[in-house]
Formats: sequence, C-alpha cells, structure tokens
Amino acid sequence: DTEVTQTPKHLVMGMTNKKSLKCEQHMGHRAMYWYKQKAKKPPELMFVYSYEKLSINESVPSRFSPECPNSSLLNLHLHALQPEDSALYLCASSQESWTAAPRDTQYFGPGTRLTVL
Amino acid sequence: EDQVTQSPEALRLQEGESSSLNCSYTVSGLRGLFWYRQDPGKGPEFLFTLYSAGEEKEKERLKATLTKKESFLHITAPKPEDSATYLCAAGPGGGADGLTFGKGTHLIIQP
Repeated sequence: DTEVTQTPKHLVMGMTNKKSLKCEQHMGHRAMYWYKQKAKKPPELMFVYSYEKLSINESVPSRFSPECPNSSLLNLHLHALQPEDSALYLCASSQESWTAAPRDTQYFGPGTRLTVL
Repeated sequence: EDQVTQSPEALRLQEGESSSLNCSYTVSGLRGLFWYRQDPGKGPEFLFTLYSAGEEKEKERLKATLTKKESFLHITAPKPEDSATYLCAAGPGGGADGLTFGKGTHLIIQP
C-alpha cells in the first residue's frame, strides 16, 4: 500500500482566515514533503521533514507554517494568505530522505485544492 | 542550475497509435529519474524510477528508458484511459531532498 491521504479535498478561505491542511501516511515513511502546484505548472517543493524535523524550507513566506506532530502526520497551517497562493497543495512521503537513502521514491497524496478569496 | 525539460508540451494520438515522450535533464549528481502520471486536479501517481543509463522498466503499455542525458516514455498501442499529463522528475533538485519536475506532457488519446 502506497497511500498518502490529504484533507480537506477543497478549501476556500478569505485573506484573514486561519486554516490547516492535513496529510497522513501509514507506510512507516520517515520523510514527508509539501509541494505547491499552480495550474498547468509542475509541483514546486516547499518543505521537507525528516524524522519529524524540518530539514528544508525553500524560502516559503511565513504565512505558511508546517508542523509534523508525529511520523505519520504532517500539517500545513495557513494564515493571512493572498489570492496568488491559490493552488493545489500536494503532500508526499518517502521511506527516508535522500540524504539518507538516495533511491527512495516519493509517493504523493491527491492534494488539497485551495482557493483564497 | 538543475533543469528538466519535457517535450512535446502536448500530444494528441489516435487510439492504438504508439509514440514516445521525451525528458532531457541537466542535474548534477543524479540520484534518480522518476516518471509520474497526473490526472486533472489529482496528485501525481508514481510510474517508474530509473537510476542508471541503459536501464529500462515496463508497466502495461508503458516503457521507460534512460540515457546519460535523457529519458523516454514509450507508449505502445495507447487507450483513451492513458490520457493524462506525464511528469518527469529528477533528483536531487529543489533542495537536497526535493524533486525537480519538468513541465509535463499533456497526452490525449482519441478513440
């Protein structure tokens, strides 16, 4: 089983709202990722967690705040977003991060479609 | 700078008409070349990983190959359900643990 689940599937929020995206995997993977994908564009890496510690933050604005409460769960907290932040937010996981295991495959969830009004 | 370029951007085929998608890459210290399929509004679905030049992998009507500079995804006798965007990604990229994705090839198979 290579399933990564994400909730909610769709989210509409105003620029003053606070919301959270949730990602879960039960494959025993120790690395988890957040990507952002705009329409007709490829996914772009935002954050990487390895063993529940943030290892990569690709210069993402502070209005996006990741959290990894345990090895199976990854959250993305959203606050004061802008309309240009509207996108598909993808979560992925791999057995290990590439610094530890260069051949691991990243498996993606179905994404959360976020619309910021 | 790591780069992954896919061609063509879009491809329309008749059912049963075989073709190939191209992915060229310039990634220093390539660890893996990945192919994903993505349907509209959904997350990428893993297809293949290739690690070294000369490697080939097959799954149903799809076959992926790798050289030192590019990868090909060959589609044999495609069916309408093969219609999707096919993404090529190379690692490392986007930071030590991320993937660098190409822009994808939007494939349409007409009945």
